[in-house]
Amino acid sequence: GAVVSQHPSRVICKSGTSVKIECRSLDFQATTMFWYRQFPKKSLMLMATSNEGSKATYEQGVEKDKFLINHASLTLSTLTVTSAHPEDSSFYICSATDVAGTSGSTDTQYFGPGTRLTVL
Amino acid sequence: TQLLEQSPQFLSIQEGENLTVYCNSSSVFSSLQWYRQEPGEGPVLLVTVVTGGEVKKLKRLTFQFGDARKDSSLHITAAQPGDTGLYLCAGGSNQFYFGTGTSLTVIP
Repeated sequence: GAVVSQHPSRVICKSGTSVKIECRSLDFQATTMFWYRQFPKKSLMLMATSNEGSKATYEQGVEKDKFLINHASLTLSTLTVTSAHPEDSSFYICSATDVAGTSGSTDTQYFGPGTRLTVL
Repeated sequence: TQLLEQSPQFLSIQEGENLTVYCNSSSVFSSLQWYRQEPGEGPVLLVTVVTGGEVKKLKRLTFQFGDARKDSSLHITAAQPGDTGLYLCAGGSNQFYFGTGTSLTVIP
């Protein structure tokens, strides 16, 4: 099956620093990737939709200058949390869709294992 | 934003009991997915329902899609501690939205 990886799985940083999270599709080409944020025991909140080779589409209320998304290749999207603050601490999850169907399904979203960000 | 409301939000039951989780929306969805998530991990897809009125079974789990494709339910029979987790419904086309979530705890 299609696999999506995230790196790092866990990161702790000081307030004011920037943190980059990588999302990779390991065995299929992901023309579209999604970034979510999740608080404990709460649902996933869609932050932005990332399309390869174009600018990301951000959901209402998500600061695009704060959460920089780059989708430069068909297998990699990155989320950079700039000038992180304690309120940015959260669980960040990415997902990818295989629009080309190389994994066998064009509609299924494949989720990464998530990245736990803690800002001190 | 297409809102998906789940109920109940929290559920704590004894092993062996039955339960139903509901997912409701005012919007029509071409399909709905149900996921289960454990702490510190990404969601794992359980099932996708596509046709209005469709019923799918996955061992002790029964999923139903409403006739109008605006709602869905998940019924678990004889719940086990291993069923403990966060259950999420989700749907959408260009964007993919998750329901508000149901945190299930099954007590041995």
